[in-house]
Amino acid sequence: DGGITQSPKYLFRKEGQNVTLSCEQNLNHDAMYWYRQDPGQGLRLIYYSQIVNDFQKGDIAEGYSVSREKKESFPLTVTSAQKNPTAFYLCASSIQSYQPQHFGDGTRLSIL
Amino acid sequence: DQQVKQNSPSLSVQEGRISILNCDYTNSMFDYFLWYKKYPAEGPTFLISISSIKDKNEDGRFTVFLNKSAKHLSLHIVPSQPGDSAVYFCAAIEGGSEKLVFGKGMKLTVNP
Repeated sequence: DGGITQSPKYLFRKEGQNVTLSCEQNLNHDAMYWYRQDPGQGLRLIYYSQIVNDFQKGDIAEGYSVSREKKESFPLTVTSAQKNPTAFYLCASSIQSYQPQHFGDGTRLSIL
Repeated sequence: DQQVKQNSPSLSVQEGRISILNCDYTNSMFDYFLWYKKYPAEGPTFLISISSIKDKNEDGRFTVFLNKSAKHLSLHIVPSQPGDSAVYFCAAIEGGSEKLVFGKGMKLTVNP
């Protein structure tokens, strides 16, 4: 089945540690996105990538980094510079930016 | 400054009746609007969309209405079913942009 796979589903991080969230898609989509959702809030865009080896900052990129070395993969690293990393992280992809985005099931990150 | 607003956090309706979910926006450059449905611990699922050149789009039980002069759109679900119980997000995209802007979401509960 085609889709977006995010792993792990739950992730715990110690203070001061970097952690990487995985996102893989087999939909052959060019565009990929990372969002953060906090309780009672909408989705806020962290980073997005329209094509391999290229990505742009979204609205809340500080404390995060990404890479897009392969079309299928768009990992997100939450660095120690992110002061409030506890949230639900969602990865999405679309054929192109003006098409509906397909989402993974998310990763919930918590600080120990 | 929220560009996409879902002012009612929740709605409860009886099975078989109509559900009307509302969304307001402030950016007159938005020209494509989408509705997503989200169950707990899952990613959002695309439901229906509408371009600004239309004022109505229908897909089965789901109809989206767009009133550009009022900067308002609504999602109608008829008849409502218990399986429709979820959080619904309104989203919009500006012409030439690559970024979706999401509302905070609205929780719909359909009672049997």
